[in-house]
Amino acid sequence: LAKTTQPISMDSYEGQEVNITCSHNNIATNDYITWYQQFPSQGPRFIIQGYKTKVTNEVASLFIPADRKSSTLSLPRVSLSDTAVYYCLVGDKTENKLTFGTGTQLKVEL
Amino acid sequence: DSGVTQTPKHLITATGQRVTLRCSPRSGDLSVYWYQQSLDQGLQFLIQYYNGEERAKGNILERFSAQQFPDLHSELNLSSLELGDSALYFCASSVDLGVNSPLHFGNGTRLTVT
Repeated sequence: LAKTTQPISMDSYEGQEVNITCSHNNIATNDYITWYQQFPSQGPRFIIQGYKTKVTNEVASLFIPADRKSSTLSLPRVSLSDTAVYYCLVGDKTENKLTFGTGTQLKVEL
Repeated sequence: DSGVTQTPKHLITATGQRVTLRCSPRSGDLSVYWYQQSLDQGLQFLIQYYNGEERAKGNILERFSAQQFPDLHSELNLSSLELGDSALYFCASSVDLGVNSPLHFGNGTRLTVT
């Protein structure tokens, strides 16, 4: 079972770069790592997905080391509107289902 | 807008009753997932359908059932409702069966059982 571990919460200030690390020691060979963002009372929103090395899109970067046992979501220059819960998700091929962990509550202040 | 539509947005009902939640997946997506999120809780996977067939089950109670219809919309039926069933119920869809396909979530149905 590809279980993930993330910090429960993080605090930051506007304009700073935020890095959220997720541990997934039992990741399977073919599993991708996907990050989602969730605001209160809304459904999670896909942010970024990667398999190895580095992936970048218009909102974030995802860094994955060679052993793939962890990954780091990087949010450049956060703003108040980035305050949300961030989930790291790794596919569970053994049971063909997607299990979310507890996520990281990011709080951005002025 | 994720393209996933869930109805109704809010539902208030009494204990012992039965309700049906509806989900229309994003155009072209064949896989539908149902999740439950209680207050201050994480997302609990309930069940997955792919092209009309059940493919995976999570922590879904026997009082709950679901199906996916030929037009790919899905319904989640909750019966003999209890106070503890009060939660946000999310539907998500993805283009295929693979666990690596990104999920696209609706904005949920908030169920309140009184």
